[in-house]
Amino acid sequence: DTEVTQTPKHLVMGMTNKKSLKCEQHMGHRAMYWYKQKAKKPPELMFVYSYEKLSINESVPSRFSPECPNSSLLNLHLHALQPEDSALYLCASSQEGYRTGGEKLFFGSGTQLSVL
Amino acid sequence: GENVEQHPSTLSVQEGDSAVIKCTYSDSASNYFPWYKQELGKGPQLIIDIRSNVGEKKDQRIAVTLNKTAKHFSLHITETQPEDSAVYFCAYPGPGRRALTFGSGTRLQVQP
Repeated sequence: DTEVTQTPKHLVMGMTNKKSLKCEQHMGHRAMYWYKQKAKKPPELMFVYSYEKLSINESVPSRFSPECPNSSLLNLHLHALQPEDSALYLCASSQEGYRTGGEKLFFGSGTQLSVL
Repeated sequence: GENVEQHPSTLSVQEGDSAVIKCTYSDSASNYFPWYKQELGKGPQLIIDIRSNVGEKKDQRIAVTLNKTAKHFSLHITETQPEDSAVYFCAYPGPGRRALTFGSGTRLQVQP
C-alpha cells in the first residue's frame, strides 16, 4: 500500500460546526504533515508530527487542532472556522521522522473544505 | 513561497517541445531540491529531486539541474506530452531547515 488516504474528500460546514479531517497511511512512515492550499496557490505547511509527537506548528490558529493517535493516523479537528479557512487541506507522510526538511513527501488527494 | 522564486507562472508549449521551469532560492545552506507535479483534483506528487552533491539528475524525459553558486535549480521536460499538463512546484527546506517550502507554481499546458 503506497497511498495516503484522506477522508472526507469534500466537506461543507458552518462557522459554528465541529468537524474532523482524517488521514491514514500504511507505509510505515514516521512523519505526517498537514498542509493548507488555497486556490491557485502553493501548499502551506501547518503542522508536522514526527514519531507521533508534534514537531512543527506554523503559528496556526487554535481553531485548528491536530491529533496523531498512532503512527498511521492523523486527524485535524476543526471548530469555529471562518469563511477564509475554505481551502484544500492536504495530508502528507514521509518515511523518516522529520529532521531537516529534506524528506520525500507522499501526499493524499486532500479534503476540499468550504466554510459557510 | 517565501525565499524561493519560481518562473514562469504559466507555460504553454506544443506537444513534443521542451519545457523549462526555474526556481531561485535564498538559503545557501539548503541541500535538497525536489519538484512536485499536481494534477487537477489530486495532491502534489514528487517527480524528481536532487541533492547538493550533484549538478544534474535525469529520469527518462525529466531532468533537474542545480547551480549552487547562482542558487537556482531548474526542471527540464523533453518531448512533452498532453499528460504532462499540470501545475509544477519546486520546493526546498526553507530557512531554519523546516519542512518543505513550495514555490508559487507553474501551470504547464501542452497543446496537442
